[in-house]
Amino acid sequence: AQSVTQPDIHITVSEGASLELRCNYSYGATPYLFWYVQSPGQGLQLLLKYFSGDTLVQGIKGFEAEFKRSQSSFNLRKPSVHWSDAAEYFCAVAIPGGYQKVTFGIGTKLQVIP
Amino acid sequence: DGGITQSPKYLFRKEGQNVTLSCEQNLNHDAMYWYRQDPGQGLRLIYYSQIVNDFQKGDIAEGYSVSREKKESFPLTVTSAQKNPTAFYLCASSNQGSYEQYFGPGTRLTVT
Repeated sequence: AQSVTQPDIHITVSEGASLELRCNYSYGATPYLFWYVQSPGQGLQLLLKYFSGDTLVQGIKGFEAEFKRSQSSFNLRKPSVHWSDAAEYFCAVAIPGGYQKVTFGIGTKLQVIP
Repeated sequence: DGGITQSPKYLFRKEGQNVTLSCEQNLNHDAMYWYRQDPGQGLRLIYYSQIVNDFQKGDIAEGYSVSREKKESFPLTVTSAQKNPTAFYLCASSNQGSYEQYFGPGTRLTVT
């Protein structure tokens, strides 16, 4: 079974600073990978996804993520964080060809300080 | 606009009562899902349905039940058998064959 680990439960960055949120997965082959964002008390919104091809994926709101097979990682990055980016971020993994089941990480809560 | 609606946003119940959470989508998606979210535990899958009149248990189905009589609707019943029902519940849907899920705004259930 696949699993996903987000090692940082809480991260604080200054507005304008760069951001990297870590995500590692466990699966024998290359899974489908996702990053979602959740504002407080709201549902989740898809930021970006990786299925195959170019390992650097661009998403909405200026986010990007890089798939590194050798490290089983799919880290989320943003060059300059805005106060509105404060939210919880979830990495997720799915197995190609299987049931449409997606496994979510426990989330990383991002705080942005002025 | 297409999307997923969940109602109500906040729900309060007394212990021992069953309660049904609504989830409706007008995205014409075949698959629908229910997740439970607790602080520090991410999202855990309760039930999912890939087609009308068919559904499967997820990782934490005990104490919950669902039905899928219409493509647009996937209500979740939290029964009195669920030991810790207080949580934030999220409904999602996806196209057949797609792993990209669209989420509703959630229902926060408080049982006292």
